[in-house]
Amino acid sequence: DAGVTQSPTHLIKTRGQHVTLRCSPISGHKSVSWYQQVLGQGPQFIFQYYEKEERGRGNFPDRFSARQFPNYSSELNVNALLLGDSALYLCASSLAPGTGKNGYTFGSGTRLTVV
Amino acid sequence: GESVGLHLPTLSVQEGDNSIINCAYSNSASDYFIWYKQESGKGPQFIIDIRSNMDKRQGQRVTVLLNKTVKHLSLQIAATQPGDSAVYFCAETPARIQGAQKLVFGQGTRLTINP
Repeated sequence: DAGVTQSPTHLIKTRGQHVTLRCSPISGHKSVSWYQQVLGQGPQFIFQYYEKEERGRGNFPDRFSARQFPNYSSELNVNALLLGDSALYLCASSLAPGTGKNGYTFGSGTRLTVV
Repeated sequence: GESVGLHLPTLSVQEGDNSIINCAYSNSASDYFIWYKQESGKGPQFIIDIRSNMDKRQGQRVTVLLNKTVKHLSLQIAATQPGDSAVYFCAETPARIQGAQKLVFGQGTRLTINP
């Protein structure tokens, strides 16, 4: 079975532009969470989606939005990009918004560079 | 507040030695803790977890210790191997908010195994 897949793996954007990042969860997983990892720091929670509904949001501005599709894949959108948005964006897949052994499986992330 | 911190940002040990990575957490309501390993260019990978009703849990070459009195978590890796070189994060799960359950990560410790 495929793990969590994220696309693209890398991209470079200019300040003020918009970006869309994509995530496909593990087959059978209905919850997707997004995390931002700035270089040298631990991941920070952005969003959690379950059954196509937003279940939680971290301390991020409204420029950040997301959605989950009927097939449980998800998109993270960031508008009006700032230099500080440069980071590794991680998607985590889980059966439901809970934890337990191996509850969350992370993808390899999308490396976003804003210039 | 919610924060998970680490005592040391870097740790260097000789191959074959044991290593201990420490973590302090601040949310006394957290009931579940996870250690992740992150290699360069990859997402965090689950190592071991522990619930707040436990003090110790062992896996293959790894042991997690939880001291709720001082809100301290540690990861012990026995007989370290070159493949253990990575950044290690502890993460805690605060109480659910509106059904969401997020992970709060620490800054991370870079473990280097010397031959």
